[in-house]
Amino acid sequence: QQPVQSPQAVILREGEDAVINCSSSKALYSVHWYRQKHGEAPVFLMILLKGGEQKGHEKISASFNEKKQQSSLYLTASQLSYSGTYFCGPEGAEYGNKLVFGAGTILRVKS
Amino acid sequence: ETGVTQSPTHLIKTRGQQVTLRCSSQSGHNTVSWYQQALGQGPQFIFQYYREEENGRGNFPPRFSGLQFPNYSSELNVNALELDDSALYLCASSEQARTEFTDTQYFGPGTRLTVL
Repeated sequence: QQPVQSPQAVILREGEDAVINCSSSKALYSVHWYRQKHGEAPVFLMILLKGGEQKGHEKISASFNEKKQQSSLYLTASQLSYSGTYFCGPEGAEYGNKLVFGAGTILRVKS
Repeated sequence: ETGVTQSPTHLIKTRGQQVTLRCSSQSGHNTVSWYQQALGQGPQFIFQYYREEENGRGNFPPRFSGLQFPNYSSELNVNALELDDSALYLCASSEQARTEFTDTQYFGPGTRLTVL
């Protein structure tokens, strides 16, 4: 069963902030975040691990609540280049120890 | 700077045919994963190869098969194509240093398969 992402879509003006949420019904030990621009490959943003370890870009921040099986991606002072579709990919034993991506959140930043 | 390439870029096949998609991983990456991405959806995991052996499979029928070669290339083969197989097929390579979680994946640009 796929994780649930919210919102499905969001429109921002440059400089505004946004939060994208990812919820799972299954126990997780990591969450991945990727961004995909139209017609391009998904690009790695961040991995959050159970226990608090993180790996990713310095300008991206995210949280992982293991108990609630939720992760949030925080986009601050958005730029036009932030536009794209954001996917979370939780990983856990009940997902077969492989990434199961959500349907994505479409983010559009306007000038 | 992913270094992952896929071929062909686009492909049109008819129902019942067979297709082979190719991926060239980033040098040094021991793991390749294949995903199917339907329009407006997230990538769906097909299977993963680690050091040339299958290391996990998603909910796809056996007519989806793969190979990974020592030269960092890999293949996805699909037999008896169906209309629903029309999608973007992505490969992603990673250097799997730790086995308890999936490490950073570097995606290729994908192959757009259309089945008529």
